[in-house]
Amino acid sequence: GENVEQHPSTLSVQEGDSAVIKCTYSDSASNYFPWYKQELGKRPQLIIDIRSNVGEKKDQRIAVTLNKTAKHFSLHITETQPEDSAVYFCAGGATGDYKLSFGAGTTVTVRA
Amino acid sequence: DTGVSQDPRHKITKRGQNVTFRCDPISEHNRLYWYRQTLGQGPEFLTYFQNEAQLEKSRLLSDRFSAERPKGSFSTLEIQRTEQGDSAMYLCASSSGQPLETQYFGPGTRLLVL
Repeated sequence: GENVEQHPSTLSVQEGDSAVIKCTYSDSASNYFPWYKQELGKRPQLIIDIRSNVGEKKDQRIAVTLNKTAKHFSLHITETQPEDSAVYFCAGGATGDYKLSFGAGTTVTVRA
Repeated sequence: DTGVSQDPRHKITKRGQNVTFRCDPISEHNRLYWYRQTLGQGPEFLTYFQNEAQLEKSRLLSDRFSAERPKGSFSTLEIQRTEQGDSAMYLCASSSGQPLETQYFGPGTRLLVL
């Protein structure tokens, strides 16, 4: 099955700086890579996703890049704000497999 | 609130007792998923329904676990003879349309087995 690894496990950034989280996956059949944000005590919420037919996707301050050859994808948050503090999870899935395999999460702390 | 809902939000039980959790997906979502999340980890897949059919079960789902979705709407997850290792957050998610459409998560049921 799919194995998704996520780094770093914790990330502390100064407000206004950028944050980058990296994930690798093992199953070459995976073609869907969502990112979820989970605030303390709340449900995971999708913030952005990317499919294997594109290499990059942006949504305001958030961007995701995908390198299928190297089997890795990354989340970039620019101009970080205190409300970006949360745990971020990457995940991978393959058409026909339905389920998502999640990374272990990255705790992001934005220092004011 | 038209999102995924779960009940109860918290459950404390003694080892050996049975517990049942309920998930109400987003209306008209035909796909429903159960995940388990332990502290410091990402959600781990447990099982998946398409309408009322349970199509996949993880090896994590021992024979003490059973899930149903009798009318293709809400789902229940039952754990029999609970063990301390079952303590976790149990998350439900739903999606519609093509495979790998966005999965929307519920708030979860936090289980503590004493």
